Amino acid sequence: ETGVTQTPRHLVMGMTNKKSLKCEQHLGHNAMYWYKQSAKKPLELMFVYNFKEQTENNSVPSRFSPECPNSSHLFLHLHTLQPEDSALYLCASSQEDRHQETQYFGPGTRLLVL
Amino acid sequence: AQSVAQPEDQVNVAEGNPLTVKCTYSVSGNPYLFWYVQYPNRGLQFLLKYITGDNLVKGSYGFEAEFNKSQTSFHLKKPSALVSDSALYFCAVRELAGTASKLTFGTGTRLQVTL
Repeated sequence: ETGVTQTPRHLVMGMTNKKSLKCEQHLGHNAMYWYKQSAKKPLELMFVYNFKEQTENNSVPSRFSPECPNSSHLFLHLHTLQPEDSALYLCASSQEDRHQETQYFGPGTRLLVL
Repeated sequence: AQSVAQPEDQVNVAEGNPLTVKCTYSVSGNPYLFWYVQYPNRGLQFLLKYITGDNLVKGSYGFEAEFNKSQTSFHLKKPSALVSDSALYFCAVRELAGTASKLTFGTGTRLQVTL
């Protein structure tokens, strides 16, 4: 295991539901990330947090709302999603004090929007 | 913007044979390059990285990668493939994102190792 956990592992939701994805890292890192992995497309960075501050929002629709209450936890709040949002959502963390460190990924949450 | 390209969607190799998974990069400045592997229904696992120094980088599970500045390549290699190496492999380049960094991934190469 990489030290990054994600829950739930699988999620099915309707377009009117509200749900949240959770990520927790046990590595003492200070930066956390959300990525989206869709079939036939490259991994897409969604959000970056460093020391709980959002440093990157990669033009993500507002129906995705991140929250980083502390450097160990990261949430992705979902509401009024579309079927094309069905994908594997991956969380990662890294220690960014030297700008050279490796990102470690969680197992992902596979989301299906009906 | 920085980018990496993986020209092969799939690579097939027989067990025991050497394998190569190709990656080329385009960066401004010094490249920080990574290889990750993804097994079915799993997240990405770090294999190795090149930051500076020796052009031959050794990583997990017997994998290594050769950094070639003149060819802007960072190919992943293993001397003797195993069936258990069958997975999806991603090359990535790191760039700064504010005070943190972000990875830009290639499209992935599926490695199939057969008996």
